[in-house]
Amino acid sequence: EDQVTQSPEALRLQEGESSSLNCSYTVSGLRGLFWYRQDPGKGPEFLFTLYSAGEEKEKERLKATLTKKESFLHITAPKPEDSATYLCAVNAGNNRKLIWGLGTSLAVNP
Amino acid sequence: DGGITQSPKYLFRKEGQNVTLSCEQNLNHDAMYWYRQDPGQGLRLIYYSQIVNDFQKGDIAEGYSVSREKKESFPLTVTSAQKNPTAFYLCASRLAGDGYTFGSGTRLTVV
Repeated sequence: EDQVTQSPEALRLQEGESSSLNCSYTVSGLRGLFWYRQDPGKGPEFLFTLYSAGEEKEKERLKATLTKKESFLHITAPKPEDSATYLCAVNAGNNRKLIWGLGTSLAVNP
Repeated sequence: DGGITQSPKYLFRKEGQNVTLSCEQNLNHDAMYWYRQDPGQGLRLIYYSQIVNDFQKGDIAEGYSVSREKKESFPLTVTSAQKNPTAFYLCASRLAGDGYTFGSGTRLTVV
């Protein structure tokens, strides 16, 4: 069965303390892995799409990487405004829908 | 600016009542989606449409209905047959090969 698992479920960091979020997947025929940021009471905001193992993308303090089994979202020197839930989703074979993880809730303390 | 507009932001439904959630996009995207988000659960697909006048059931379509008469609009009706409708509803659209763009959501509460 296709599955996406995110860890940890919740993460609390001090401002400036770098860390990584994990998204592991077991799917057949990966056609894209997506990272989103979601603030409370709002819709997810698109961050990155990764298509093949070895691919990396960066945006400000965020860097996403992809292997054949998992993706990491690296957060370098986070700020309080990076606090949000980060969602991972995989498009596997069937191009019509995504398989979503449950998210990692990140809190960055000043 | 292009984007997706969902309305209303908050909606209250009485028992036995049908309610309709609006979703409009001006991104010229062909595909549109409705998701439901509940605490502790991932996003679950209700319905999706890849072209005008065509739509397909997602994983949890029971108790919901949709229409796609215009490219820009994809309204969702939550019928009285949906026994647990209280949730956060998200509409999204997509251009083939790109990531999904989401609206700001509608929070539906049964009163």
